[in-house]
Amino acid sequence: NAGVMQNPRHLVRRRGQEARLRCSPMKGHSHVYWYRQLPEEGLKFMVYLQKENIIDESGMPKERFSAEFPKEGPSILRIQQVVRGDSAAYFCASRASGRTLNTEAFFGQGTRLTVV
Amino acid sequence: AQTVTQSQPEMSVQEAETVTLSCTYDTSESNYYLFWYKQPPSRQMILVIRQEAYKQQNATENRFSVNFQKAAKSFSLKISDSQLGDTAMYFCAFVQGGSEKLVFGKGTKLTVNP
Repeated sequence: NAGVMQNPRHLVRRRGQEARLRCSPMKGHSHVYWYRQLPEEGLKFMVYLQKENIIDESGMPKERFSAEFPKEGPSILRIQQVVRGDSAAYFCASRASGRTLNTEAFFGQGTRLTVV
Repeated sequence: AQTVTQSQPEMSVQEAETVTLSCTYDTSESNYYLFWYKQPPSRQMILVIRQEAYKQQNATENRFSVNFQKAAKSFSLKISDSQLGDTAMYFCAFVQGGSEKLVFGKGTKLTVNP
């Protein structure tokens, strides 16, 4: 059973371009979380999704950021018109239905986004 | 709002010795969970140990143990018999019961020296 897979591991974008970060949760997991880690900081919650639904996006910036978790395929975190301040590591975590976050959540290795 | 504070940005320890990383948190809730995560240079977030707030007994996982002081809102991690592979960033985290958001501290960079 593969773990949470994120790709790409590293992504370089010029200011104004779009960044698409992908997260394939563990097999059988239908709950996905995205976190952002700025340099020298801990992880900060961005969004919580279930299949085809955004449950909590209270940590997402209001503009330029969006997330989806379609019925088929990976979860996508999309950042439009990237700026230097978007440079960070973005982590995805997943868990299975019937479990709770406090008992079982698994993280991917993150995508490091660099905006030049 | 819940907050997690790790007051030691960096620590170092000699191989085979014991080290304690500190963490304090702030919440008005009574039902919550605390975690220590390890982030080695590979960046993978690895769960080290978990503590349920309603359990008085301190959690232990092999060489890792916690000192949970609920009244003081303190949750320190003790690593015994430190190994070179323990070198990593360590993050203390909190989640309120029923919530879906982990709240992380800023981390402590631990270096184990040979």
